Amino acid sequence: QVQLQESGPGLVKPSQTLSLTCTVSGDSISSGDYYWSWIRQPPGKGLEWIAYIYYSGSTYYNPSLKSRVSMSVDTSKNQFSLKLNSVTAADTALYYCARVVPGPMSGYWFDPWGQGTLVTVSP
Amino acid sequence: DIVMTQSPDSLAVSLGERATINCKSSQTVLYSSNNHNYLAWYQQKPGQPPKLLIYWASTRESGVPDRFSGSGSGTDFTLTISSLQAEDVAVYYCQQYYDTPYSFGQGTRLEIK
Repeated sequence: QVQLQESGPGLVKPSQTLSLTCTVSGDSISSGDYYWSWIRQPPGKGLEWIAYIYYSGSTYYNPSLKSRVSMSVDTSKNQFSLKLNSVTAADTALYYCARVVPGPMSGYWFDPWGQGTLVTVSP
Repeated sequence: DIVMTQSPDSLAVSLGERATINCKSSQTVLYSSNNHNYLAWYQQKPGQPPKLLIYWASTRESGVPDRFSGSGSGTDFTLTISSLQAEDVAVYYCQQYYDTPYSFGQGTRLEIK
């Protein structure tokens, strides 16, 4: 079955760029059957959707983060990535990647999710 | 943006008893052209990622026990666990996918009484 695995630095300094990669196994991003997304969860708090991407490179970002975030896809490696610029302590969170069931106009629900990777923003 | 509000924030229920979690959206998530409610429920156990339980407000994901059910329409929704089992201890989230940005409720923590 499909599995997603996040990877990237666990510690990022304030004002720098957070970079994460999600590796997909058991499914092909280039099939075009799904969108691929990032969601984050600050420690002890709820879930915030960040963005999603299609295999073609089309993206949709949460407006609250749009000025600082970008996603990209590498179909040859079956990976997609997240970059978040100018991070602060408020960006400390567990970052999940997830597959998104597609609809005619946008994505729907998230299934499955990766295990998540904790990113701490600290000097 | 659509704001999702769950109630209660936490809930303690005895084993075998019914658990009910509510979710209210700040605007309708019912798409009139197809009569679908664009709402999903997730279960997050400690140390694990969220797991999809229900989509279209009431359709159980494959493999989800039938003691889990979803109901409601428009702006008011309910997740019901008909007979609580020990393995159901978790935080439950609702999510709307009617419009971007997708949004989640704040979560309801379910414990054993």
